[in-house]
Formats: sequence, C-alpha cells, structure tokens
Amino acid sequence: EDKVVQSPLSLVVHEGDTVTLNCSYEVTNFRSLLWYKQEKKAPTFLFMLTSSGIEKKSGRLSSILDKKELFSILNITATQTGDSAIYLCAVLYYNTDKLIFGTGTRLQVFP
Amino acid sequence: DAGVTQSPTHLIKTRGQHVTLRCSPISGHKSVSWYQQVLGQGPQFIFQYYEKEERGRGNFPDRFSARQFPNYSSELNVNALLLGDSALYLCASSRGGGRGPEAFFGQGTRLTVV
Repeated sequence: EDKVVQSPLSLVVHEGDTVTLNCSYEVTNFRSLLWYKQEKKAPTFLFMLTSSGIEKKSGRLSSILDKKELFSILNITATQTGDSAIYLCAVLYYNTDKLIFGTGTRLQVFP
Repeated sequence: DAGVTQSPTHLIKTRGQHVTLRCSPISGHKSVSWYQQVLGQGPQFIFQYYEKEERGRGNFPDRFSARQFPNYSSELNVNALLLGDSALYLCASSRGGGRGPEAFFGQGTRLTVV
C-alpha cells in the first residue's frame, strides 16, 4: 500500500534554532513531492520537488529530494514564532492530481 | 486573483442528513480535488475532477459523490451523514492536464455531525 511517513510527529524549539523535517515515501507512479504549511485551515504551498538532488530554496526554508532513497527533507533556519504550524508532505501521482499526504509534523517555536 | 473559495466555512448537521459543500477554483484552473482531514491526520484524497470528468476516487463509501460544472466549480455531496464524517473538507485546484501540478487549497469547510 502506498504511504508517506513524516518524522518527527512533533517538534518544539526556540526562536533561532534550525530544524529539519523528514518525509519518506513508498508510492507507485511517483511524479513529484510537495511540501505544505498548515497554520489554521488551508495548507499553503511551499515547494514542489521532482528531480533528485536539486535544492529548492525560499528565504529561510529549503528542501531537497532523494529519489533513490525515497525521502525528502525540509530545513528551516533561524526559526521564528511565525513558523509554528503543521508541515505536510505529499506525493503527487502521475495521470491524476491525487496527493497522498503524511500525517504532518507539528512545529512549535517559542520565543 | 481570488484564491480557491469554499462555502460554507462551518456547518453543523445531524446524523442521517445530507450535506453539499461547494468550491470555486482559481481562475484558469480546470482541476479540482477534494480532501477530508480529520483532527491529527493529513488530508485524505476523496475525488479529483478535470474538465468535468472524474479522474480519481479515493477509498470512500458511495455516500460521497461529487461533480464539476462547466465553469469548473465543484460540489461535494455526502449522504446519510455519520458522526465519523466530522472533519475539515478541503478543496484544491490546479491547472491540470500536466500544466503545473501544484495544488492550491481553499480554507476548507468544517463539518460537524451531531
């Protein structure tokens, strides 16, 4: 059965810390891996990764995909309280727009 | 540009009732997908529609149905509501057809079944 597993499930850090969130997957017909940030309701799109080894970067956030080992990481440097959210990893299938999500990592950043 | 809009934002229904949730995609997006998110879990795929045709269906009972209209908006219908249907229902839109698969989500409809 296809699955996406995220770790850790929960993370508590202080402002300024650097965090690494993990996402591994076992999915047939893999097309891309996507990261989302969910604060209250709507998941907000962060990155889409299709090729191995190419880092995507946006401000303090960066992400990379390893298609051989079937995992991705999301790094957040110099964390701020506004980074507190649930971070969701999802895999996109070929031929549909279906996403299969992990359970998410709840990040709490304290001042 | 307006984002993905969903209505209503909150809804309380009684067991056995029927509910209709609505979604308007981003202008220019022809693909709409529906997800159910229960507390503490990631969203779970229910349906995907592209150009008014069903392109994917998740592991949900036949009480769940959906359709897409000529203007690409969509409805999700749930019949014979159960307590376990209480969840956040999310709609996602994308260009579809291989032209940019990034999915953008609406704010969701919080459904409570009592």
